[in-house]
Amino acid sequence: DFVMTQSPDSLAVSLGERATIHCKSSQSVLYSSNNKNYLAWYQQRPGQPPKLLISWASTRESGVPDRFSGSGSGTDFTLTISSLQAEDVAVYYCQQYYSTPLTFGGGTRVEIK
Amino acid sequence: EVQLVESGGGLVQPGGSLRLSCAASGFTFNNYAMSWVRQAPGKGLEWVSTICGSDSNTYYVDSVRGRFTISRDDSKNTLYLQMDSPRAEDTAVYYCAKGGRGSCYSAGDYWGQGTLVTVSS
Repeated sequence: DFVMTQSPDSLAVSLGERATIHCKSSQSVLYSSNNKNYLAWYQQRPGQPPKLLISWASTRESGVPDRFSGSGSGTDFTLTISSLQAEDVAVYYCQQYYSTPLTFGGGTRVEIK
Repeated sequence: EVQLVESGGGLVQPGGSLRLSCAASGFTFNNYAMSWVRQAPGKGLEWVSTICGSDSNTYYVDSVRGRFTISRDDSKNTLYLQMDSPRAEDTAVYYCAKGGRGSCYSAGDYWGQGTLVTVSS
């Protein structure tokens, strides 16, 4: 199974500052035949279902603010919130969909400092 | 507008049975993979099962294989999860999620609000 390891477990960032979350996969999620990374990022606000922010490691979903960006390839990935807003308080998860069982990272809680 | 509405959750005894449903609207249901993902109280997300859109192949996490069955009725735009012999560790909010068109391996781009399953005697 692919083990997804997120860091840190939690972080507190001042409004307007940058938040950076890391996700490391135990195996590469880069599919060589199409050169795509099968890696997604989700946001889960308190009491809400998860919301897809980014797929294919760096493709922002429609309607997602451009302060959210994803980067990385192979086994190491990053979600960056360039200027933290109050509504970004949430838990963020990475997920690989390269192989079953599809697996999630343990989550990173983002709070306001 | 894509909508996914889960139902069927509740209290079930260990070893009993429960069937979850997810009514879908706003997209051509039969073209898309659909998944169940669960979240135990205060815990992270765990993928449970996926059914493909094109060939209805199914996939399960090891912990539920042989006990849970995912299925779909494309005529009713509905996804199901039959839960047989549930255990206390299956207690969670169960979400249905819409996957990709034409590919079983995809991110979940729309999620329902979830239905709570509690396994307890």
